[in-house]
Amino acid sequence: EDQVTQSPEALRLQEGESSSLNCSYTVSGLRGLFWYRQDPGKGPEFLFTLYSAGEEKEKERLKATLTKKESFLHITAPKPEDSATYLCAVQPNQAGTALIFGKGTTLSVSS
Amino acid sequence: KAGVTQTPRYLIKTRGQQVTLSCSPISGHRSVSWYQQTPGQGLQFLFEYFSETQRNKGNFPGRFSGRQFSNSRSEMNVSTLELGDSALYLCASSSPPGHSYQETQYFGPGTRLLVL
Repeated sequence: EDQVTQSPEALRLQEGESSSLNCSYTVSGLRGLFWYRQDPGKGPEFLFTLYSAGEEKEKERLKATLTKKESFLHITAPKPEDSATYLCAVQPNQAGTALIFGKGTTLSVSS
Repeated sequence: KAGVTQTPRYLIKTRGQQVTLSCSPISGHRSVSWYQQTPGQGLQFLFEYFSETQRNKGNFPGRFSGRQFSNSRSEMNVSTLELGDSALYLCASSSPPGHSYQETQYFGPGTRLLVL
């Protein structure tokens, strides 16, 4: 069964304290792995798509990496505005675009 | 470009009633997917429509249905509402194959449904 597990469930950081969020997955053929950010009461906001092991993408303080079994979202020198829930999702090799989501990691950054 | 829009944003219904939610995708996007988000189960895929045809369906009962119109706008319907249907319903649209972010899904703000 296709599955996505994110850890930790919650993470508290001080401003400037770098860390990483983990997304491990099992899927019968990976078409793509997606990272989203979700703020309370809003829909998920697209961050990155990764397609193959070894691929990396960066945007401001965020960097996403992918291996054959997991992905990491590295947050460098976070700021309070980075506080949100970060969602990881995989898109299996099948007809259609259905995403399988993990439960998310809720990040709190304090100043 | 305008993003995905969903209406209504909030809805309160009672058990046994039915509800229809609407989604307008990003201009030019032909695929629309629906997801249910609850605190316990997270985001779960409901169904996907492409060119007015259901292309994929998640593991939800037949009370959940949807359709897509020729202008790519989509509606989902839930009949005989149950308390457990209270959730945030999210719609996402994606660009057709061949674009640089093909099949990346862009989400709307969601419709929050409360069933009493």
